[in-house]
Amino acid sequence: SQTIHQWPATLVQPVGSPLSLECTVEGTSNPNLYWYRQAAGRGLQLLFYSVGIGQISSEVPQNLSASRPQDRQFILSSKKLLLSDSGFYLCAWGSAAGSPLHFGNGTRLTVT
Amino acid sequence: AQSVTQLGSHVSVSEGALVLLRCNYSSSVPPYLFWYVQYPNQGLQLLLKYTSAATLVKGINGFEAEFKKSETSFHLTKPSAHMSDAAEYFCAVILQGSGNTGKLIFGQGTTLQVKP
Repeated sequence: SQTIHQWPATLVQPVGSPLSLECTVEGTSNPNLYWYRQAAGRGLQLLFYSVGIGQISSEVPQNLSASRPQDRQFILSSKKLLLSDSGFYLCAWGSAAGSPLHFGNGTRLTVT
Repeated sequence: AQSVTQLGSHVSVSEGALVLLRCNYSSSVPPYLFWYVQYPNQGLQLLLKYTSAATLVKGINGFEAEFKKSETSFHLTKPSAHMSDAAEYFCAVILQGSGNTGKLIFGQGTTLQVKP
């Protein structure tokens, strides 16, 4: 069966520090991968998606970047965090157009 | 562009009462539609999906939703609420013909409160 792992579960970082969140998927190959952010009291905003290794599409301009160095690995990064980067970050994978997405357990990021 | 609107950011029901969470979509072509549930500090769990087969879709935990093209709606219902149903619920859409991107567009979410 397929599983998705996301870590860390919680993270507190000072403003201006770098960020690296990692997501890996097991049990499937060539998945579509996604990073969503959920700010307090708001819905889910799609940040990045990837349909293959090295292929990254950005949905909104921001202080973050994403990379996909391996087929089942998706990384969310920042060189210098802002207070506004605080939120709940969710990684997800999907197998085909129209199929539901499967989500990780999320990372709670607090920038202080 | 397609979008999803969830009517009511908070819904409160008594235990045993009917649950109705509303979702309307805007799309020029039939979309794929989904309902997800999120418990505090957790990821999203798929409740059910509509992919142009039967218009009445049954999901997990006793939930179901009906696709009504004429009303562009996909409301989520459950006949009898349980305390464990208290969570946040998200309606989401993927536009058919969007290629291989599979991007989910979410509504703003509805928090369901179940009172004893």
